Amino acid sequence: ETGVTQTPRHLVMGMTNKKSLKCEQHLGHNAMYWYKQSAKKPLELMFVYSLEERVENNSVPSRFSPECPNSSHLFLHLHTLQPEDSALYLCASSPRWTGSYNEQFFGPGTRLTVL
Amino acid sequence: AQKVTQAQTEISVVEKEDVTLDCVYETRDTTYYLFWYKQPPSGELVFLIRRNSFDEQNEISGRYSWNFQKSTSSFNFTITASQVVDSAVYFCALSEGGFGNEKLTFGTGTRLTIIP
Repeated sequence: ETGVTQTPRHLVMGMTNKKSLKCEQHLGHNAMYWYKQSAKKPLELMFVYSLEERVENNSVPSRFSPECPNSSHLFLHLHTLQPEDSALYLCASSPRWTGSYNEQFFGPGTRLTVL
Repeated sequence: AQKVTQAQTEISVVEKEDVTLDCVYETRDTTYYLFWYKQPPSGELVFLIRRNSFDEQNEISGRYSWNFQKSTSSFNFTITASQVVDSAVYFCALSEGGFGNEKLTFGTGTRLTIIP
């Protein structure tokens, strides 16, 4: 596997379900991100982890819970979601301490539908 | 606060035509980075280019070219002799600061459709 992978690619869940999204990067990066992409809205940064420590949380509702057990893996735990949470969830990674470069590499995303 | 505006929501052109995608940004920093990403129907954002604020030299890569103008805070993207495979959503993004800054602010994207 190369680059950034995400599983599952598609997920349909009810409002009372609990599920998790998984992201894995094979690039040796130290920073990982979760973004939400809704129709006709800019990508919204949800969480940033750098060296496995959360460095930014953009006021995301507590029904989204991230976990970064190591620099290669990132999870997004979902519970009691709302229909408006339906979106494409994108994971990205980047080398953190590289000075001038902030280029992020993205995974293919998980298309989430909340019924 | 940083902001990126892509005023063109959707563009359609006939194959082989040239097309320019506009990007206007706002930032108070003197050091910043601009990016373009392509999102094909598969969903994955593909990095196209990065430009830092101290380098206003335009860049050409094959059929792609970028025009960075600090005076107008614009970073426009031109595709020459467009092809059907260029059909995608294109995002412009801005990152402020330098060392250790991870946050990217994206525009709303421009959906480009190339008509065969």
